[in-house]
Amino acid sequence: DIQMTQSPSSLSASVGDRITITCRASQTIGTFLNWYQQKPGKAPKVLIYAVSNLQSGVPSRFSGSGSATDFTLTISSLQPEDFATYYCQQTYDSPRTFGQGTKLEIK
Amino acid sequence: QVHLAQSGAEVKNPGASVELSCKASGYTFTNYHIHWVRQAPGQGLEWMGIINPSGGRTDYAPKFQGRVTMTSDTSTSTIYMKLSGLRSEDTALYFCARDVVGNGEWFDPWGQGTQVTVSS
Repeated sequence: DIQMTQSPSSLSASVGDRITITCRASQTIGTFLNWYQQKPGKAPKVLIYAVSNLQSGVPSRFSGSGSATDFTLTISSLQPEDFATYYCQQTYDSPRTFGQGTKLEIK
Repeated sequence: QVHLAQSGAEVKNPGASVELSCKASGYTFTNYHIHWVRQAPGQGLEWMGIINPSGGRTDYAPKFQGRVTMTSDTSTSTIYMKLSGLRSEDTALYFCARDVVGNGEWFDPWGQGTQVTVSS
């Protein structure tokens, strides 16, 4: 299985901050890397697909980059509604696997 | 709009089976595969498997092989996921999600989730 490792596991930040979450795959996964946002008790929602493509309706303050095994999710200016847990996911191979999540909390 | 509606919460005894449903609407049912993902309390997301509603071909995560069965009913645009031999570790929120393929593959949208509790 392809292991996905996110860092940090948790992050405390303030409204207006710029933050970056990283995700490392245990082998190359091409562009089969997605980012999801999940709020407590709710289903995940895709933010970024195929490394850097912004899902329709997602604010432009979210961006993704990377290649091969190393990827990042950046939020340019945190808004109150962005405090949530974020997961990366590889869909290069089966089983599809997720990172362990990054919980973004208000400082 | 595209929507996945999941069945209601379940409480089961250890050793029992549970069957969850996921009803699709707003798109051509047979054109998109469906995934199942679960989330134990306070934990991350765990992929269980995928089914092609057209023909019923499946691919299960090795961890669930032998215990999970996914089926589809094209007459009602509904996907079913049966998990047998339930144990306390299967207590989780279970999601279905549509598979989208473009210049990659991602899951969108997701159902609202079904809580399964395994307890004696």
